[in-house]
Amino acid sequence: GQQLNQSPQSMFIQEGEDVSMNCTSSSIFNTWLWYKQDPGEGPVLLIALYKAGELTSNGRLTAQFGITRKDSFLNISASIPSDVGIYFCAGQHGGATNKLIFGTGTLLAVQP
Amino acid sequence: NAGVTQTPKFRVLKTGQSMTLLCAQDMNHEYMYWYRQDPGMGLRLIHYSVGEGTTAKGEVPDGYNVSRLKKQNFLLGLESAAPSQTSVYFCASSSREFGSYNEQFFGPGTRLTVL
Repeated sequence: GQQLNQSPQSMFIQEGEDVSMNCTSSSIFNTWLWYKQDPGEGPVLLIALYKAGELTSNGRLTAQFGITRKDSFLNISASIPSDVGIYFCAGQHGGATNKLIFGTGTLLAVQP
Repeated sequence: NAGVTQTPKFRVLKTGQSMTLLCAQDMNHEYMYWYRQDPGMGLRLIHYSVGEGTTAKGEVPDGYNVSRLKKQNFLLGLESAAPSQTSVYFCASSSREFGSYNEQFFGPGTRLTVL
């Protein structure tokens, strides 16, 4: 099955640093999503993107829907210890089933 | 609202044993999904349901069966567990509003080990 290529696989940073991660696909999507998974929990939606070129912010998080519709980027500014977790991108082709295809995840560790 | 709940949280099985994972949601969602999460693989869709009484295969359905007898419950069954089914299993649900993406809400997961 299709999976999205997400990079980097992991990041170990100091508190206060900015973080960037991205996701690429071989096919186009109608919707790009970014989820965060805290240790021992299920993923929680951070940002949803609906149009090519769209730039959306949620607090210190900013995500972009790539112009080609085959990629997306997530930036976290001024990281804090509670940003620790696994970040997943996900794409949706559209259609009645609302199915998602997930990326492989980026593990973020923040040292105080 | 409890959201999406999963039972059990942890389970250890021996090869060949069977078990059922239960997912329940109290948001009156039409759609429900079962995923498995493996290291470095992200989440992969096993089966899903678009309404009570209907189920469909996802991308990794082999070795699993599902049932959606009630709208609020989605059961995932392993008839004969194999070590390759050691994983963390997540259930999710979403509403059915046409025209835009409907957020999938996830449960806390079930960690299954097959020896």
